[in-house]
Amino acid sequence: AQSVTQLGSHVSVSEGALVLLRCNYSSSVPPYLFWYVQYPNQGLQLLLKYTSAATLVKGINGFEAEFKKSETSFHLTKPSAHMSDAAEYFCAVSDRSGGRRALTFGSGTRLQVQP
Amino acid sequence: NAGVMQNPRHLVRRRGQEARLRCSPMKGHSHVYWYRQLPEEGLKFMVYLQKENIIDESGMPKERFSAEFPKEGPSILRIQQVVRGDSAAYFCASSLIAGGVDEQFFGPGTRLTVL
Repeated sequence: AQSVTQLGSHVSVSEGALVLLRCNYSSSVPPYLFWYVQYPNQGLQLLLKYTSAATLVKGINGFEAEFKKSETSFHLTKPSAHMSDAAEYFCAVSDRSGGRRALTFGSGTRLQVQP
Repeated sequence: NAGVMQNPRHLVRRRGQEARLRCSPMKGHSHVYWYRQLPEEGLKFMVYLQKENIIDESGMPKERFSAEFPKEGPSILRIQQVVRGDSAAYFCASSLIAGGVDEQFFGPGTRLTVL
């Protein structure tokens, strides 16, 4: 069974500071990995995804994530936080094998950006 | 191209009533997923359907919950005899399988409140 752990349910940064949101996964085979963002009372929007091409993945809104197999991690970063980045961020994993296509989500990290 | 549509956006039911949640996938998408998000938690997979078929219902509660995706019309998630613990946000996602990677596009969700 696969699982996702997001360290830190709340992260607070200053505007202009580095954003680092942590995600570790557990999977028997190299999975597909995703980061989604959720704004209040809205659905989820895909930020970026890893599908076994380049290990450094660039997404929308200046976010990027690096797949590190040795650390089973897929941390999300952004060099300079903006007020509009305040939201909840979810890491998710999808099993490549078989027909199972459901996403397994982490519990989320709420990002606050201080002026 | 319209995104994933869900209705209603908000639904209030009294204990014992039935709740019907509707999801229209993106145009051309034939794969639908339902997820439930309890307050302060991540999304949990419930069921994966293709047209007229349930592919994976491993996340569905054994009683009171059912889902369908008919040949014509939206996918329906049905909850019979609702209880307070069913209060949650229910998200639908759809996908178009391309290259073996299922990018799931999420709707805005239906927020169910059981009084």
